[in-house]
Amino acid sequence: DIVMTQSPDTLAVSLGERATINCKSSQSILYTSNNKNSLAWYQQKPGQPPKLLIYWASTRESGVPDRFSGSGSGTDFTLTISSLQAEDVAIYYCQQYYRSPDTFGQGTKLEIK
Amino acid sequence: EVRLVQSGAEMKKPGESLKISCKGSGYSFANSWIGWVRQVPGKGLEWMGVIYPADSDTRYSPSFQGQVTISADKSISTAYLQCNSLQASDTATYYCAKRKAGIGWYFFDSWGQGTLVTVSS
Repeated sequence: DIVMTQSPDTLAVSLGERATINCKSSQSILYTSNNKNSLAWYQQKPGQPPKLLIYWASTRESGVPDRFSGSGSGTDFTLTISSLQAEDVAIYYCQQYYRSPDTFGQGTKLEIK
Repeated sequence: EVRLVQSGAEMKKPGESLKISCKGSGYSFANSWIGWVRQVPGKGLEWMGVIYPADSDTRYSPSFQGQVTISADKSISTAYLQCNSLQASDTATYYCAKRKAGIGWYFFDSWGQGTLVTVSS
């Protein structure tokens, strides 16, 4: 299985500041058919199902605020929230969908400092 | 509007079986992979498997292969997750989620509300 490792496990950021979450895959997840990385980011708030934020490592899902952005290549990927809002407090997960079984990172809990 | 509506919470005893459902609407149910994700209380997301309702092609995570059965009835746009011989460690919220249509577009773009399964004697 492809192992996805996120860092840090917990992140505390002040309102209005930048938040950066990292995700590393144990092997390449580059989908050669479109030359994009098969990497998605999800946001999960307490008591709610996960919500898709980003796919193909950097494509924002419709309706997701533009303060959320994804980047990365090879085996290293990043989710950035440019200016943290109170409603962004949540757990964030990366997921590779390159090879079955799809696998998730362990999650990063984002808090307000 | 895409909707995935799951069946309600369940309480089971160890050794019992369970079948939970997920009804899709607002999209072509038969032509989108639909999967199941487990979340143990306070823990992360675990990908269990997916099914393509049009032909019932099913893929399981090795971690769940043989422990669960994923099925779908495209005539009523409903997917199922069956778990046998439940143990306390199966206590979790189970989510269904659909993949975007298209080869390689395998991320989950819509999720059900979750079904809490509690296994206790």
